[in-house]
Amino acid sequence: EAQVTQNPRYLITVTGKKLTVTCSQNMNHEYMSWYRQDPGLGLRQIYYSMNVEVTDKGDVPEGYKVSRKEKRNFPLILESPSPNQTSLYFCASSTRLAGVFATDTQYFGPGTRLTVL
Amino acid sequence: DAKTTQPNSMESNEEEPVHLPCNHSTISGTDYIHWYRQLPSQGPEYVIHGLTSNVNNRMASLAIAEDRKSSTLILHRATLRDAAVYYCILREATSGTYKYIFGTGTRLKVLA
Repeated sequence: EAQVTQNPRYLITVTGKKLTVTCSQNMNHEYMSWYRQDPGLGLRQIYYSMNVEVTDKGDVPEGYKVSRKEKRNFPLILESPSPNQTSLYFCASSTRLAGVFATDTQYFGPGTRLTVL
Repeated sequence: DAKTTQPNSMESNEEEPVHLPCNHSTISGTDYIHWYRQLPSQGPEYVIHGLTSNVNNRMASLAIAEDRKSSTLILHRATLRDAAVYYCILREATSGTYKYIFGTGTRLKVLA
């Protein structure tokens, strides 16, 4: 089954304790992305990756790191989490964007609810 | 960055058509308009997208204004399963960047 998986689904941690949220897709997609969702603010893009070893900032990258060493995986790293990073996080993937005028459909994972105390 | 604005919420009766509006007055010529929806406790799912012309698929229709500064997602016959938050998104594709800019979404209630 084609899917995007995220782990863990729920995480409670404390300020400053490094954590990683994993994201994996089995659709051979080139494009992957991380979003956070907060009440009243909708979804905001954190980072995205066009392909292996190619990443770029979204709208709210501060406090986050990503890496794309393999095509299927795109982990989100919080080196020193703070309470304002308490949020619902979604990973998404899509096929390669062929040129400026190409478009795509993103497939989203089930979400990771993170609480930073 | 081009932004979208949507009403916070709308209501519809079951089996009736629903028109969900979206304003994107600062859209650029290469921005595609995408619509996604998010059912309760799930990640967003794709609904439809378009550039300039109106589009139809099995889920919905997308009507795009001639000046592209607004668009409308049309659900032809709302069902209870269509109750969700609907996001209008500009897929920014200029200067080699491929950001997605989500609006705040419209929460659609469908009344039985």
